[in-house]
Amino acid sequence: GAVVSQHPSWVICKSGTSVKIECRSLDFQATTMFWYRQFPKQSLMLMATSNEGSKATYEQGVEKDKFLINHASLTLSTLTVTSAHPEDSSFYICSARAGPGGDQPQHFGDGTRLSIL
Amino acid sequence: GENVEQHPSTLSVQEGDSAVIKCTYSDSASNYFPWYKQELGKGPQLIIDIRSNVGEKKDQRIAVTLNKTAKHFSLHITETQPEDSAVYFCAASPTNTGKLIFGQGTTLQVKP
Repeated sequence: GAVVSQHPSWVICKSGTSVKIECRSLDFQATTMFWYRQFPKQSLMLMATSNEGSKATYEQGVEKDKFLINHASLTLSTLTVTSAHPEDSSFYICSARAGPGGDQPQHFGDGTRLSIL
Repeated sequence: GENVEQHPSTLSVQEGDSAVIKCTYSDSASNYFPWYKQELGKGPQLIIDIRSNVGEKKDQRIAVTLNKTAKHFSLHITETQPEDSAVYFCAASPTNTGKLIFGQGTTLQVKP
């Protein structure tokens, strides 16, 4: 149980294009989803928190116009990297939490490796 | 805000030995402490978690202990196997934010 699917797993695109990443909870409803960024050999850095049907809350330093987050249903959240540039290249990982409490487990997808040429 | 320190950054053990990874946190309001295992190119996988009303939890070869007074918690893996080799992350979740604050990670290598 508690499977989170993330798609695509790997994407290469040209500088200036926009890329959409999907995060789906397959066997549970996720009231809250999170988006993280991870650089090589480093820890996970929280980018934003999204609750179904409301606007995402971004962490300090994360550009909300660059990283658009939509959480339209209890099983789907999307992250769109707009006008991507080489410095946006990274490993992006989503997680989903079934309950509203912070003591409920977060289950992670397998990440999306984004490479901007 | 919450800050989580994790040690050691790398750990090498012989197959069959035990491995211990330690984390400290700063925010006394944190009440949830999960541990994740991340294999290369994959997302983190929840392996065990503990809440602040419990001092110890065990699941087969994996155990976690929590000392709220000292604000530290530890992961114990017994009878290690080569497939335990991965990066392990601890995290803490303050009640007022519900976010996970991660430690820096520990690369565990189990030598056959």
